[in-house]
Amino acid sequence: AQSVAQPEDQVNVAEGNPLTVKCTYSVSGNPYLFWYVQYPNRGLQFLLKYITGDNLVKGSYGFEAEFNKSQTSFHLKKPSALVSDSALYFCAVRDSGGSYIPTFGRGTSLIVHP
Amino acid sequence: NAGVTQTPKFQVLKTGQSMTLQCAQDMNHNSMYWYRQDPGMGLRLIYYSASEGTTDKGEVPNGYNVSRLNKREFSLRLESAAPSQTSVYFCAGGQEASGANVLTFGAGSRLTVL
Repeated sequence: AQSVAQPEDQVNVAEGNPLTVKCTYSVSGNPYLFWYVQYPNRGLQFLLKYITGDNLVKGSYGFEAEFNKSQTSFHLKKPSALVSDSALYFCAVRDSGGSYIPTFGRGTSLIVHP
Repeated sequence: NAGVTQTPKFQVLKTGQSMTLQCAQDMNHNSMYWYRQDPGMGLRLIYYSASEGTTDKGEVPNGYNVSRLNKREFSLRLESAAPSQTSVYFCAGGQEASGANVLTFGAGSRLTVL
C-alpha cells in the first residue's frame, strides 16, 4: 500500500522568507514523488517530480524539493517566497512496484504575507 | 493547446436528478481519471481508465458511473444525485514517462446538490 501525509493544514510565511511545505510518504518499494499546486478556482498543476538520481529536484516557479530516503520525506522548498505563491499544495506518491495511480495528500494551504 | 477540458464548470441539481460531467483531452493520454475534492479530504479517486475501453473503480465509486467513449473522452455520470455528492470534480489525464505518471488536470466542475 502507498500513502502520503502532509502534516500541516496551513503554512504562513512572510514574503521574501524561505518556505517549506512538508510531505512524508510510505511505500513498499521505491517511491515516485510529485508536487502539484492549485491556485484558487483552478485545477492542479504539476510542479516537480522525483523518480531517481539527485535528491534535490528543481521544478517550476523556483520551487525545489529534497528527497530524503531515511526520513521518507519529500519537502517542498523555495528560498524566497512571493505573495503569488499563495495556493494549495499537494504531495503525491506512487510505488514504483505497484499501481501506476498516484495517491495524493490532503493538501497544505500556503499563505505568503506581504 | 487546450489540455484537459471539463464541462460544465458549474451545476446545481436537485436530489434525485441525473447529470453527466464531460471530460476531453487532446494530449494523447492513455489513462484518465475522475477525482472529487472536498474540504479537508484532499483528492479522492472516483474512477479511472487505464486505456480506451477499460474502466475501474477508485476509492469512492458509489453513486457514480463512467464511460471511456474513446481515447479523448471520459465522462462521469450521477444517476440519482444526493447532497453528499456536492463537491468539486476534477478530470485528469496521465502521461507515463520514465516511470512517472504525471497528471494534467482540468479546471474543475463545481456541483451543488440541493
